[in-house]
Amino acid sequence: AQRVTQPEKLLSVFKGAPVELKCNYSYSGSPELFWYVQYSRQRLQLLLRHISRESIKGFTADLNKGETSFHLKKPFAQEEDSAMYYCALRRANFGNEKLTFGTGTRLTIIP
Amino acid sequence: DSGVTQTPKHLITATGQRVTLRCSPRSGDLSVYWYQQSLDQGLQFLIQYYNGEERAKGNILERFSAQQFPDLHSELNLSSLELGDSALYFCASSPEAGELFFGEGSRLTVL
Repeated sequence: AQRVTQPEKLLSVFKGAPVELKCNYSYSGSPELFWYVQYSRQRLQLLLRHISRESIKGFTADLNKGETSFHLKKPFAQEEDSAMYYCALRRANFGNEKLTFGTGTRLTIIP
Repeated sequence: DSGVTQTPKHLITATGQRVTLRCSPRSGDLSVYWYQQSLDQGLQFLIQYYNGEERAKGNILERFSAQQFPDLHSELNLSSLELGDSALYFCASSPEAGELFFGEGSRLTVL
């Protein structure tokens, strides 16, 4: 079974401070990890996908298979980063498989 | 705009009633996924269709059913509604082995 854990429901960070949103997963096989973001009154949208190794809006995430983690980081928080963030997992190489989501972390950037 | 459209955006109904939620995927996407988002539960996977066929089933109640039509749009039918069914229902679609693109959701309120 696959499981995604986001231990922080709420996270408040001052503008300009570093941000780290935690994500741990449970899956015995090879995973594919994602971060989705939901800004106020907008739909869920993809922020990062671990296989693409991109930095989007200053955010990065590294898959750590040893710690089964995929934490999302940004060195300097901006007010527009306030949103709901979801970590998600699916089995790698299984095509159009569903994503298993964590319960999400609401990030608030304090001006 | 991700291209996934859901109707209706809001729906208020009474316990015991039946509703149908509709989803039109992005052009060319064969996979459609339904998720339920309720308070403190994150995004719970309900069901997936691929090119008209059921591909995967999650924690979908027997009172709920779905289908995907030849034109690839999908409908989620919720019957004998209970107060606890009040939630945001998301539809997503994806290309082959790609990310999920989400609709804006249908907010169901059961009174």
